[in-house]
Amino acid sequence: SYELTQPPSVSVSPGQTARITCSGDALPKKYVFWYQQKSGQAPVLVIYADTKRPSGIPERFSGSSSGTMATLTISGAQVEDEADYYCYSTDSSGNQEGVFGGGTKLTVL
Amino acid sequence: QVQLVQSGAEVKKPGASVKVSCKASGYSFTDYGVSWVRQAPGQGLEWMGWISAHTGDKTYTQKLLGRVTMTTDTSTNTAYMELRSLRSDDTAVYYCARDGAEKVLDYWGQGTLVTVSS
Repeated sequence: SYELTQPPSVSVSPGQTARITCSGDALPKKYVFWYQQKSGQAPVLVIYADTKRPSGIPERFSGSSSGTMATLTISGAQVEDEADYYCYSTDSSGNQEGVFGGGTKLTVL
Repeated sequence: QVQLVQSGAEVKKPGASVKVSCKASGYSFTDYGVSWVRQAPGQGLEWMGWISAHTGDKTYTQKLLGRVTMTTDTSTNTAYMELRSLRSDDTAVYYCARDGAEKVLDYWGQGTLVTVSS
C-alpha cells in the first residue's frame, strides 16, 4: 500500500525556521495537504494543494513540493505552533485512496 | 459557517457494530464528499474512506473492506459511518471531514470516541 514518510520529530527554538518533510512516490502527480493537530483537538488544515494557505492561517506557514518530497515550512516558529503535523495525499490509483504520513511532533522551545 | 457535528461517544463489546453520524450545516451538502478518518490513542491519523454526497460513490481503505459502510442522507445533510465486527484495535477517535475540490479535507467534525472493550 502507498505510504507517506515524515520524520517523527523536529525541534526548533522560538523564532527559528522549522521544516517538516513528507516523501512519497506519487507526490509528483498528487497534491499534498498539511494538517496541524494540537493535543485533544481535531486536525486543522494549514496548507492545501501543495502551496496554498487557507484564510486565517498565519503567513509564517508555507508549503512547497518538488519531485517526491513536499515540505512544510514555519518561518519564525512560535511556541503556539508546537503540535503534531501530518501530511496527506492520495495514491495514484483510480480509486484515489487517501493516506496520511505518520506525523511529526514539532517542539518549539 | 461550515459545521460538522458528530454523535456522542460509544462503548461497544468486541464483535458488535457502531454507527457514527456527522451532521453538516453551512454549505450545500451535495456539492462535497465526506471522508472519515480515525485516530487510535497516541497514534497517527488513518484515512478510512470517502463518500460523495452527490452520487453516493464510495472508496474504502483496503484494510477495512467488508467491515465498513459509509452512507449519506441528503434529506438531513447527515453522513454515517458504520463499522462492524469491532475489535479492541478499533478503539479510536473517529472524525468526519468535508472532502472538497482537489481532495482537500477542509472542515472537520469534533470527533467521536469509540471504545471497544469486553
